[in-house]
Amino acid sequence: AQSVTQLDSHVSVSEGTPVLLRCNYSSSYSPSLFWYVQHPNKGLQLLLKYTSAATLVKGINGFEAEFKKSETSFHLTKPSAHMSDAAEYFCVVRNAGGTSYGKLTFGQGTILTVHP
Amino acid sequence: EAQVTQNPRYLITVTGKKLTVTCSQNMNHEYMSWYRQDPGLGLRQIYYSMNVEVTDKGDVPEGYKVSRKEKRNFPLILESPSPNQTSLYFCASSRLERGRGQETQYFGPGTRLLVL
Repeated sequence: AQSVTQLDSHVSVSEGTPVLLRCNYSSSYSPSLFWYVQHPNKGLQLLLKYTSAATLVKGINGFEAEFKKSETSFHLTKPSAHMSDAAEYFCVVRNAGGTSYGKLTFGQGTILTVHP
Repeated sequence: EAQVTQNPRYLITVTGKKLTVTCSQNMNHEYMSWYRQDPGLGLRQIYYSMNVEVTDKGDVPEGYKVSRKEKRNFPLILESPSPNQTSLYFCASSRLERGRGQETQYFGPGTRLLVL
């Protein structure tokens, strides 16, 4: 079985300050991990993905995430928030084996608010 | 352009009136899946398909049916919709590599369904 926990349902930052969105996961197999972003009334956009190569993954719009196996974490960071980053963010694990091969399990989502 | 399309994008219906939401992808992907998104719950998998004529239940299959007669299409069928199926629905597709399962899932734009 696999699961994803996003530790904060809401995060609020000021423009120009760092962003940290936290994600812990559990998986019976070596997982693939993703961060997706959803802007209001929009679909899902892939930010970045971890697929067992480098543990520090760079994505679009200045975001990056670090895979830490010992902590079962995949936190999303950005050095300086921009107003356009305000959205909902989903941490996702993809099952790499077993009977649910390929299945995506989503975290509950973190709503990021950016203040001027 | 590589894409996943869904139709309709918005639908209002009444309890018990059968409906179908279509999903089509033009990337020759083996894996297709349906998710529903509800506030505070993230996205939950309804059904998935690993190839033509191969479908299986996800986490919340009750009240839904699917079929996969062609590789590109994966319609979601609600035989007798109920108000608790009011939700935002996403179709997704990806390649499926045995032993890796690391391909990115591409999402459709979403279908917003209201069941009265």
